[in-house]
Order: sequence, then structure tokens, then C-alpha cells
Amino acid sequence: EVKLQQSGDELVRPGASVKMSCKASGYTFTDYAMHWVKQSPGQGLEWIGTIIPLIDTTSYNQKFKGKATLTADKSSNTAYMELSRLTSEDSAVYYCAMEGYALDYWGQGVMVTVSS
Amino acid sequence: DTVLTQSPALAVSPGERVSISCRASEGVNSYMHWYQQKPGQQPKLLIYKASNLASGVPARFSGSGSGTDFTLTIDPVEADDTATYFCQQSWNDPRTFGGGTKLELK
Repeated sequence: EVKLQQSGDELVRPGASVKMSCKASGYTFTDYAMHWVKQSPGQGLEWIGTIIPLIDTTSYNQKFKGKATLTADKSSNTAYMELSRLTSEDSAVYYCAMEGYALDYWGQGVMVTVSS
Repeated sequence: DTVLTQSPALAVSPGERVSISCRASEGVNSYMHWYQQKPGQQPKLLIYKASNLASGVPARFSGSGSGTDFTLTIDPVEADDTATYFCQQSWNDPRTFGGGTKLELK
């Protein structure tokens, strides 16, 4: 059974950074790209970017370049996303999703709240 | 960016047939996918590449279309289908999502 287990919700100060994880199980981690998606009430669903764990290649939505950094650890089957210089606009739920035919499997999401 | 336009909401009675549309601002070939999201849950893949049923999804769900106009059909609708449905394209960069159609049952 494919499972993507994301780290816990975060409360962070404006200007800080946050790094979240997505641990994959039930499939060969290096065989599939991992995507990250932002969901906020005002903006709906937004594609942030993707990483191909086998070759550590990333591709970003231009909107999130400089904001998000995607990495992957093949030894632990875990993908990471770091968000930097956080503002209230970054308050949202963030999902990781494995690409098979489309975004076939999703993590449960991490709620990030940016507040002082 | 490719803009995907969906109707905001629909209301239908159980047992009826419902069609949810998604129009793209530019062609996406057949690379349109559909997801169901219930409150407090992550999205779930229903249909990939316009018309292919994802694993484990009931045959009540079907998809059609190509180019710029796509449709998700549920027939017959059941009470458990109350959710928001999103389309998403993966042909053009960046990948984009529609704003979602909230399906309510009468």
C-alpha cells in the first residue's frame, strides 16, 4: 500500500523558514517523481514544483522560485520542502503527491500558520 | 499559465446524473486529470488523462474531452459523492488546477 506520511502542523513567525517532510512507503521511492502542492482558501490549489529522487532534479513553478526548496533523501525514502522568508501569504496547507499517471497518491497535508 | 475554469457549485439529487465541466485557456492535449476532495481530507485521484479511471474508483465516475473542454460525469450520484471536484492539467508548464466545483446533494 502506497503511503505518504507528512510531518506535523507548524506555527512559525513571519520572516522565518520551515522545513517539512514527506516519508514514502509501499513503492520504490526513486521510481516516481514527488510533487508539492499548496492549498489556501484564497488561491485554491497551486502546484509548487517537483523533484525526481533518482537524479535529484527539480522543477519549480516560477511563482515559488526563491520561496520553496525541494530535496529528497533516498536513504530514508523521504522528500522535503523548505519554505523561506515566510509571510501571511504562505499560511496554507501543503501536500506532497506522488506522480504515477497523474498525482496518484497524496500525503495528509501540513498546515502552516504564519503568525507573530 | 493555463487557466482552468470550473463552475463553482452544483446541486443534484441522489440517483441523478451530473456533469462537471472544466475549460482550459489553451490546449492540454488529453493531459487533464480529476480529483475529489472531501472536507478535511487530501485530494484523491479519480480520472487521469481525460478518461482513464484510477484504481479503486467506482465505475459511476467517468471522464471525457480533449484539447480545451473536459467533463467529469457521475452517474448515478450517491450521497457519499458530496465533495469538491478539481481538474488539473499536466501538459503545460506550470501545472495548474481549476478552482473546484462543490457538489451538493439535495
